[in-house]
Amino acid sequence: DAKTTQPNSMESNEEEPVHLPCNHSTISGTDYIHWYRQLPSQGPEYVIHGLTSNVNNRMASLAIAEDRKSSTLILHRATLRDAAVYYCSTWGNTGTASKLTFGTGTRLQVTL
Amino acid sequence: ETGVTQTPRHLVMGMTNKKSLKCEQHLGHNAMYWYKQSAKKPLELMFVYNFKEQTENNSVPSRFSPECPNSSHLFLHLHTLQPEDSALYLCASSPGVGGAEDTQYFGPGTRLTVL
Repeated sequence: DAKTTQPNSMESNEEEPVHLPCNHSTISGTDYIHWYRQLPSQGPEYVIHGLTSNVNNRMASLAIAEDRKSSTLILHRATLRDAAVYYCSTWGNTGTASKLTFGTGTRLQVTL
Repeated sequence: ETGVTQTPRHLVMGMTNKKSLKCEQHLGHNAMYWYKQSAKKPLELMFVYNFKEQTENNSVPSRFSPECPNSSHLFLHLHTLQPEDSALYLCASSPGVGGAEDTQYFGPGTRLTVL
């Protein structure tokens, strides 16, 4: 399983962009990168995913390094409602099973 | 009810008790999952069911026993648990069978405390 590492916490001011990094140096060529976030007292919710190309959706953008050993989740304008723990994960096939492997997450604080 | 629901939201049990966690998804999905979330640790996948059949058991101790009677319902039966089993237990579902681009939808979790 590809392991991911993320900073424990980050802070941002409201209305400013946030770049959340993730290292996944052991990722294989077919593993997808997924990002989820967990708001207080809730289960994780899907944010975005990608394989090689950068991806955009209404919530965020995902920038994937050319060697795929790292990626960055970009929130273009952070709001107080974006305060959450953001999990970088990889989806991989272990041979006998396929599963998402989550990292320990980055706690994002957003201040006025 | 919409999305993925879990009951109870909180559970306190003794080590000799038997209890069950329930998960229900209202999304028409084919796959369901149990995860364990402990403090300071990554989410740990426990079990995966595709079309009611178990396809993954991530070396989970036998004191945790899953049951999937149909694609919409998933149970986790608990017996003779240990204090270290105290955690947030999360249920999730996905449309497909856990493929690389399958998005997982999580319930709010059951906070379990074992005394």
